[in-house]
Amino acid sequence: DAKTTQPPSMDCAEGRAANLPCNHSTISGNEYVYWYRQIHSQGPQYIIHGLKNNETNEMASLIITEDRKSSTLILPHATLRDTAVYYCIVRVAGTASKLTFGTGTRLQVTL
Amino acid sequence: ETGVTQTPRHLVMGMTNKKSLKCEQHLGHNAMYWYKQSAKKPLELMFVYSLEERVENNSVPSRFSPECPNSSHLFLHLHTLQPEDSALYLCASSQDRAGGVFAELFFGEGSRLTVL
Repeated sequence: DAKTTQPPSMDCAEGRAANLPCNHSTISGNEYVYWYRQIHSQGPQYIIHGLKNNETNEMASLIITEDRKSSTLILPHATLRDTAVYYCIVRVAGTASKLTFGTGTRLQVTL
Repeated sequence: ETGVTQTPRHLVMGMTNKKSLKCEQHLGHNAMYWYKQSAKKPLELMFVYSLEERVENNSVPSRFSPECPNSSHLFLHLHTLQPEDSALYLCASSQDRAGGVFAELFFGEGSRLTVL
């Protein structure tokens, strides 16, 4: 699996957009980018994933650069409940999905 | 509510005890997982069961013994644990599709284990 690099922590004011970057410069053509988050004392929660096109769902948007070496998760209007650790993971799709979680980015949303 | 239920939520045990963690998923998924999360460490994948067959074991010590009697239930049997095994143990499930796009993992809320 390709290695990912994320900043250890970020702050964001409530109501503003939170832009969480992820570098995955060794990503291969058949690897997807997945984002999960983990709110304190809970299990991780799936957010979004993509291959090369930008993706949007009810939770977030995922912007993947044209060379696919980096991506950005965007929470358009962050709330206090978005305070969590956000994990960017790169993985080949297939059977028995075995995601490897790194240390992620701790996002603190403040008033 | 994620559809994945873990019990107990908290467990304290001595090093000589034998206990089990239980996980049940109500999502009709065909794969289940055990992850370990120690303090200030990334999540570690311990075991994967796909279609009730164990397909991966990441060199986890033998004092951890998984059991998957059917596609909806997963157990982690614990015996003669060490204090460093204290951690949050998370169960997850997914609907794997051969050769297809990865489907999301659904996690339970975890069982917090303390080994004295």
